[in-house]
Amino acid sequence: NAGVTQTPKFRVLKTGQSMTLLCAQDMNHEYMYWYRQDPGMGLRLIHYSVGEGTTAKGEVPDGYNVSRLKKQNFLLGLESAAPSQTSVYFCASRSTSSGSRHEQFFGPGTRLTVL
Amino acid sequence: AQSVAQPEDQVNVAEGNPLTVKCTYSVSGNPYLFWYVQYPNRGLQFLLKYITGDNLVKGSYGFEAEFNKSQTSFHLKKPSALVSDSALYFCAVRDMKNNNDMRFGAGTRLTVKP
Repeated sequence: NAGVTQTPKFRVLKTGQSMTLLCAQDMNHEYMYWYRQDPGMGLRLIHYSVGEGTTAKGEVPDGYNVSRLKKQNFLLGLESAAPSQTSVYFCASRSTSSGSRHEQFFGPGTRLTVL
Repeated sequence: AQSVAQPEDQVNVAEGNPLTVKCTYSVSGNPYLFWYVQYPNRGLQFLLKYITGDNLVKGSYGFEAEFNKSQTSFHLKKPSALVSDSALYFCAVRDMKNNNDMRFGAGTRLTVKP
């Protein structure tokens, strides 16, 4: 099992450019999440999905869009990148099966810089 | 909405000494509480959780945490610190009523010196 993987690992964008971050999990988890991590602020939830074809807003959704067309993939899109979106982005997934349904499993992160 | 406070940005301990990393929380209902650890350039790794039952929970790598409802705290502890425990530690809370919204603290950097 690869667990949760994220592509790319690093990216530098110019203001106004767009990009998509890909998250993939091979654990058949129902729930998937996108977070951003900024110094001194912990992780903040951007968007999440409770199943294929469904998405919902988290704590800081503005400037981002997501899609979950397949159960194993969760895409995070930036339509017009801004310097304020410079951050480390983490994807996570969670099972709904009893016994392990509470902890989230995290990917290695994507470091994004917007110039 | 629920929230978590980690009052210490940095905790320094000597190897072999006990360590405590503090966490307090705020939720409207009953909490699910978690500790995660992050090593440099890595994602977060699950350490332990409190869902219900015994207030003292044991997790990975010899860590434990005590749920204290009256003080709304969930401090992380280890009897004897190792240099390899040096990392960034995050406390997180999820409200049972809103099962999809987990809030993380700002993190505490633990440094264990030989």
